[in-house]
Amino acid sequence: EDQVTQSPEALRLQEGESSSLNCSYTVSGLRGLFWYRQDPGKGPEFLFTLYSAGEEKEKERLKATLTKKESFLHITAPKPEDSATYLCAVQGSSGGYNKLIFGAGTRLAVHP
Amino acid sequence: DGGITQSPKYLFRKEGQNVTLSCEQNLNHDAMYWYRQDPGQGLRLIYYSQIVNDFQKGDIAEGYSVSREKKESFPLTVTSAQKNPTAFYLCASSIKSNTEAFFGQGTRLTVV
Repeated sequence: EDQVTQSPEALRLQEGESSSLNCSYTVSGLRGLFWYRQDPGKGPEFLFTLYSAGEEKEKERLKATLTKKESFLHITAPKPEDSATYLCAVQGSSGGYNKLIFGAGTRLAVHP
Repeated sequence: DGGITQSPKYLFRKEGQNVTLSCEQNLNHDAMYWYRQDPGQGLRLIYYSQIVNDFQKGDIAEGYSVSREKKESFPLTVTSAQKNPTAFYLCASSIKSNTEAFFGQGTRLTVV
């Protein structure tokens, strides 16, 4: 069964303190791995798509990496405005159609 | 501006009533989706549609219905058969069914 597990559930950082969020997955025939940012009461905002092991994508203070079993979202020198829930999702090819399987997310709080 | 518009933002339903959530997109995307988000859980797929006049059940379709009469619109009806409808509902669309999805701002439904 396709599954996505994110850790930690919550993370508190001081401004400037770099860290990483983990997304472990099992999926039949990975088509893509997606990272989203979600602010409270809002819809998820698309960040990155990764398609194959070894691939990396960067955007401002965020860098996403992918292996065959997990993905990391590295946050370098975070600022308070990076506080949000970060969601990971995978898209596999089982079941005859492509759908996103989401993890429960990591709630990130960055304090000044 | 292109995007996905969900309305209303907040919706209150009495027990036994059907309610319809609106989702409109002007991105010219073929695929549209409805997800449900509950605290501490990942997003779960309710229904999806890859083209006009076609839609498929997701993982938790019981108590919900949809239609896709126009490419731009994918309304979701929460029927009285849905036993626990209080949740945050998210509509999304993608160019095709195997590319990244973009989300609306959500509708929070509360049963009173």
